[in-house]
Amino acid sequence: RKEVEQDPGPFNVPEGATVAFNCTYSNSASQSFFWYRQDCRKEPKLLMSVYSSGNEDGRFTAQLNRASQYISLLIRDSKLSDSATYLCVVILYNQGGKLIFGQGTELSVKP
Amino acid sequence: GAVVSQHPSRVICKSGTSVKIECRSLDFQATTMFWYRQFPKQSLMLMATSNEGSKATYEQGVEKDKFLINHASLTLSTLTVTSAHPEDSSFYICSATGAYNEQFFGPGTRLTVL
Repeated sequence: RKEVEQDPGPFNVPEGATVAFNCTYSNSASQSFFWYRQDCRKEPKLLMSVYSSGNEDGRFTAQLNRASQYISLLIRDSKLSDSATYLCVVILYNQGGKLIFGQGTELSVKP
Repeated sequence: GAVVSQHPSRVICKSGTSVKIECRSLDFQATTMFWYRQFPKQSLMLMATSNEGSKATYEQGVEKDKFLINHASLTLSTLTVTSAHPEDSSFYICSATGAYNEQFFGPGTRLTVL
């Protein structure tokens, strides 16, 4: 089983749609969680951190469920510019702060 | 936000040559930097953890003698791909840890070995 698993993609949605991505992690010692977006042939860019209480940034909402070892990202009112690959990232402090990336979920927003 | 630079952004070399990639944190000090490799259509794979002033920690399956890492200062880590071969062609990305444990990534180096 992979340490971090994400929904397989691609997700093809129309503009204005709401889309949700899921991510599960297997190591209960994981302590920090992030969502990154990566555009084609570019480096990943931090989208938002994920907190146990949940957090929102404009159209983006991230949630963490430690009991179920589950992370989610909700995008409301999708824009064409949201088209990218979204990466779930987990930090393992019991392994020296090692980062584990999910395989990424590709989102394509169509007009 | 914090900025991490990488140089060169793209390199094409002949098989058997060595290539050095630099990773710099421009406006903050990074005790730890990470090196990743990404093949087409795949996610980032951590290669090694670079610690300032000490030896790098390599992930399983990554040859430390082939991928030499030096972290001589708090703002610079280098990755040298020694005797590069076509199968080493990939997108190499570094990252540095920010104040809240977020990772700031360099823009990446695309290596093509002929």
